[in-house]
Amino acid sequence: EAQVTQNPRYLITVTGKKLTVTCSQNMNHEYMSWYRQDPGLGLRQIYYSMNVEVTDKGDVPEGYKVSRKEKRNFPLILESPSPNQTSLYFCASSLMGGASKGYTFGSGTRLTVV
Amino acid sequence: AQSVTQLDSQVPVFEEAPVELRCNYSSSVSVYLFWYVQYPNQGLQLLLKYLSGSTLVKGINGFEAEFNKSQTSFHLRKPSVHISDTAEYFCAVTLSGTASKLTFGTGTRLQVTL
Repeated sequence: EAQVTQNPRYLITVTGKKLTVTCSQNMNHEYMSWYRQDPGLGLRQIYYSMNVEVTDKGDVPEGYKVSRKEKRNFPLILESPSPNQTSLYFCASSLMGGASKGYTFGSGTRLTVV
Repeated sequence: AQSVTQLDSQVPVFEEAPVELRCNYSSSVSVYLFWYVQYPNQGLQLLLKYLSGSTLVKGINGFEAEFNKSQTSFHLRKPSVHISDTAEYFCAVTLSGTASKLTFGTGTRLQVTL
């Protein structure tokens, strides 16, 4: 089944403790992206990647890092999480030149930083 | 840069009544437009998309949307809603031709009651 898999689904952590949210897709998509969803703000893009070793900032990149060492994986790294990063996170993927096909989203990761 | 405005944060409606969720976009170039639905505690599911051609687009679950270039709108409609349509709906835009940033509106919560 074609899908984007995020792990974990739920995570509670303490301020300053490094964490990684994994994202993997099995559709051979070039384009991958991370979004955060907050009430009243919709979804905002954090980082995106157009292919292996090609990443760039979205609208709200502060406090986040990403890497794209393999085509299928696009982990989101919070080196020193803070309470304002408490949010619902979504990973998405798409073919390059395939915006017409839409984006496939993961099921989300609900992160709480205390 | 493109942007999306969803004017209504919440829309209450009775079951079997018609509904329209409004979406306006801003872009200086051609765009693709999407509507996504998010059911409680779930990820995002594509409802429908406009790429080109006919301005009336039909999607899943009986929803349809009309692209109006002169008014830069892409309103979502359903002639008769069901309790199961209770969800959050997001309008989104991306530049046509290539995968790029998907910009979301802030969402409209559709609440269907008996």
